[in-house]
Amino acid sequence: DTGVSQDPRHKITKRGQNVTFRCDPISEHNRLYWYRQTLGQGPEFLTYFQNEAQLEKSRLLSDRFSAERPKGSFSTLEIQRTEQGDSAMYLCASSPPRDRGYEQYFGPGTRLTVT
Amino acid sequence: AQSVAQPEDQVNVAEGNPLTVKCTYSVSGNPYLFWYVQYPNRGLQFLLKYITGDNLVKGSYGFEAEFNKSQTSFHLKKPSALVSDSALYFCAVNNGNSGYALNFGKGTSLLVTP
Repeated sequence: DTGVSQDPRHKITKRGQNVTFRCDPISEHNRLYWYRQTLGQGPEFLTYFQNEAQLEKSRLLSDRFSAERPKGSFSTLEIQRTEQGDSAMYLCASSPPRDRGYEQYFGPGTRLTVT
Repeated sequence: AQSVAQPEDQVNVAEGNPLTVKCTYSVSGNPYLFWYVQYPNRGLQFLLKYITGDNLVKGSYGFEAEFNKSQTSFHLKKPSALVSDSALYFCAVNNGNSGYALNFGKGTSLLVTP
């Protein structure tokens, strides 16, 4: 399967713990996005990378959140000192360079439950 | 600011009947519009997009959407619904300029009954 993959698919953690999620985009997609989706809502943008550069961050991305994309390949999203309000589905998407398309392709998501 | 409104939380249609899922948008500049579908415990799947050109765009699984600039709408349509079309549908927009993030609507649950 050459789609976007995310790991883990599910994560249960206790409040105050740190968690890290991984996203592997479609190869040769230079753009990568993280979104958060809560029940009954559409995905909300968190951050955007073009290659290894983080070019955009939403105000939703508090200082407890950090994302990286070393070498412009896979990306990680870390949440420090998790809170119950962080419980959500975290979605990763990738897209090719603009001259090859505008749509974003999404992974299956990581469902985070903070107890 | 960019935003999308999906006025219907749920749409019910009988199999074989035409379906419409509504979407209106607000964006500065030219809108780039997208429809995605989400099945239970699955990620979002891209259905179709409008960037420029013909107002009627065709996508996957027999879906199509019509861009109406004067009404700022981008309704999703299918001539004959299938039970397997039952899913959650999201409309999304960006303006293609600074900021590549998609702004999604809240989603519309489509239920197709046999």
